Amino acid sequence: KAGVTQTPRYLIKTRGQQVTLSCSPISGHRSVSWYQQTPGQGLQFLFEYFSETQRNKGNFPGRFSGRQFSNSRSEMNVSTLELGDSALYLCASVIGGGSDTQYFGPGTRLTVL
Amino acid sequence: AQRVTQPEKLLSVFKGAPVELKCNYSYSGSPELFWYVQYSRQRLQLLLRHISRESIKGFTADLNKGETSFHLKKPFAQEEDSAMYYCALLGGSEKLVFGKGTKLTVNP
Repeated sequence: KAGVTQTPRYLIKTRGQQVTLSCSPISGHRSVSWYQQTPGQGLQFLFEYFSETQRNKGNFPGRFSGRQFSNSRSEMNVSTLELGDSALYLCASVIGGGSDTQYFGPGTRLTVL
Repeated sequence: AQRVTQPEKLLSVFKGAPVELKCNYSYSGSPELFWYVQYSRQRLQLLLRHISRESIKGFTADLNKGETSFHLKKPFAQEEDSAMYYCALLGGSEKLVFGKGTKLTVNP
């Protein structure tokens, strides 16, 4: 079974631009969660989608948004990029949710200049 | 509020020595706790979860509700155990809250 895939793997943007990251979950998994990983703050939860609906949201500004498609693939979007948005963005897929095991993708490394 | 604290950013032990990675949590309900591991150049993966009470790669962790701790232990560390270890809590909101991680280095 293929694992969680994320595209692109690396991205360089400048301040003020916007970016879209993509996550394809493991086949059959219906829930996708997104996390931001930085050296200072560690892993922070962004949001979770289940069956195309946002089920949970972390404490991030509205510039961070996401969506999930009917095939469970998910995208997250960051608008008006700031230097502090430079991070590794991880997505994780789960069969259903709750205490099911989360399977992580390799991440997208975003650098904002 | 849900919070996970890993007090040690770095931990260094010698091969064959016992290792304990500390994790304390703050949560008013009954938490589900996990340990995730990230080896060099690999993706984050689940190591173990308290509800399964299993031992993975020789690691065990016991949930101590009185001390609100979920420390990860291994009696004899191996060099291949060198990695970043994250403790995580799943509370009522069904979102994982991670600690900031402990980098374990096992020296030969």
